[in-house]
Amino acid sequence: ETGVTQTPRHLVMGMTNKKSLKCEQHLGHNAMYWYKQSAKKPLELMFVYNFKEQTENNSVPSRFSPECPNSSHLFLHLHTLQPEDSALYLCASSQGATLNTEAFFGQGTRLTVV
Amino acid sequence: SQELEQSPQSLIVQEGKNLTINCTSSKTLYGLYWYKQKYGEGLIFLMMLQKGGEEKSHEKITAKLDEKKQQSSLHITASQPSHAGIYLCGADRAGNKLVFGAGTILRVKS
Repeated sequence: ETGVTQTPRHLVMGMTNKKSLKCEQHLGHNAMYWYKQSAKKPLELMFVYNFKEQTENNSVPSRFSPECPNSSHLFLHLHTLQPEDSALYLCASSQGATLNTEAFFGQGTRLTVV
Repeated sequence: SQELEQSPQSLIVQEGKNLTINCTSSKTLYGLYWYKQKYGEGLIFLMMLQKGGEEKSHEKITAKLDEKKQQSSLHITASQPSHAGIYLCGADRAGNKLVFGAGTILRVKS
């Protein structure tokens, strides 16, 4: 248990559906991240939030929309996804906005787009 | 090209054997992290290295960062089935970004 909780753990959705992934941490961290892990590809950084402000959008398609209402919660809203978006989506958090701080990861949401 | 190159991509070792996984960066590493991941799950933090020549150990796992801070190795002594998983190295990049290598899949045969 790392202190970062992701829900749901598994999600199957159609290409026309709208769904949201949720990430929650009560570690007092101020930075939160979304990563995508596809089969046979490196872990890809998608979004970074520092103190609720988005500081990084790593050329992610607009069908992925992040939301960070407070420093403890991070959402990833999904709309009109493609089958190639099927992957493991990992949330992470770290202390502050400085480098050299350990990141804590959630267990991930296994997303399948049909 | 991959910013962090890991080798080997996969590894099968007999239980009790030692093994080494390498991580090489095209840029100087200011914070190098090793994580372990079980298939389909989140990443578990193992160790963080910051200084050139630094070495850290936890149980049977030792990680080193070379003096030039461009290469790190993870060494497992007397491997056990519990060591099986995917090992990823990660590095700090400007803007509070943590980027990762492609990972090394380790299987330990009993």
